[in-house]
Amino acid sequence: EAAVTQSPRNKVAVTGGKVTLSCNQTNNHNNMYWYRQDTGHGLRLIHYSYGAGSTEKGDIPDGYKASRPSQENFSLILELATPSQTSVYFCASGDGHTQDTQYFGPGTRLLVL
Amino acid sequence: QQKVQQSPESLTVSEGAMASLNCTFSDGTSNNFRWYRQHSAKGLEVLVSIFSDGEKEEGRFTAHLNRANLHVSLHIREPQPSDSAVYLCAVMRSNYQLIWGSGTKLIIKP
Repeated sequence: EAAVTQSPRNKVAVTGGKVTLSCNQTNNHNNMYWYRQDTGHGLRLIHYSYGAGSTEKGDIPDGYKASRPSQENFSLILELATPSQTSVYFCASGDGHTQDTQYFGPGTRLLVL
Repeated sequence: QQKVQQSPESLTVSEGAMASLNCTFSDGTSNNFRWYRQHSAKGLEVLVSIFSDGEKEEGRFTAHLNRANLHVSLHIREPQPSDSAVYLCAVMRSNYQLIWGSGTKLIIKP
């Protein structure tokens, strides 16, 4: 049974439109993360959270907002999508202990036209 | 700022032969290193976590860490075609953030 799920799995959006990517985890982990993965860049951290109500900026937060309304749910919001945000987005959860292991969802493939 | 580089970019190995992947990092003060595997466009699966110099084995996967040489490697014993995937090295910095290499594409030939 998948512990980190993402929706939608695929999304086509128009430039200037709003996109919301959702992530749900049943691990009861405190920490959650949003990454994007592009060829030649590996994974890059966009936003992360230490618990419900908290969001922190990662390495590439520009153009993205995040929301953590509950322990289980963490959303990534693109208010004004641009073609440069075409990518594969991964959500992960981690228990936040010293040897924190991050567990990943299956990814969302986003195409912005 | 921590930088992580992996080599080679691509590696082809015959089934049953040892596969060895390399990862170098720029900041030797880190003590939390991970190897993940990603089958084509799917989620990431953690293989081995290592937190001190030396060796850590998880089944057929063994990580070697040498912080003085800024190097961590992954060795896959008796690889099978199902092990064909992209292997990613990650180094944890403060606040539990992972810094990632760009991956090694491993192909196991039957």
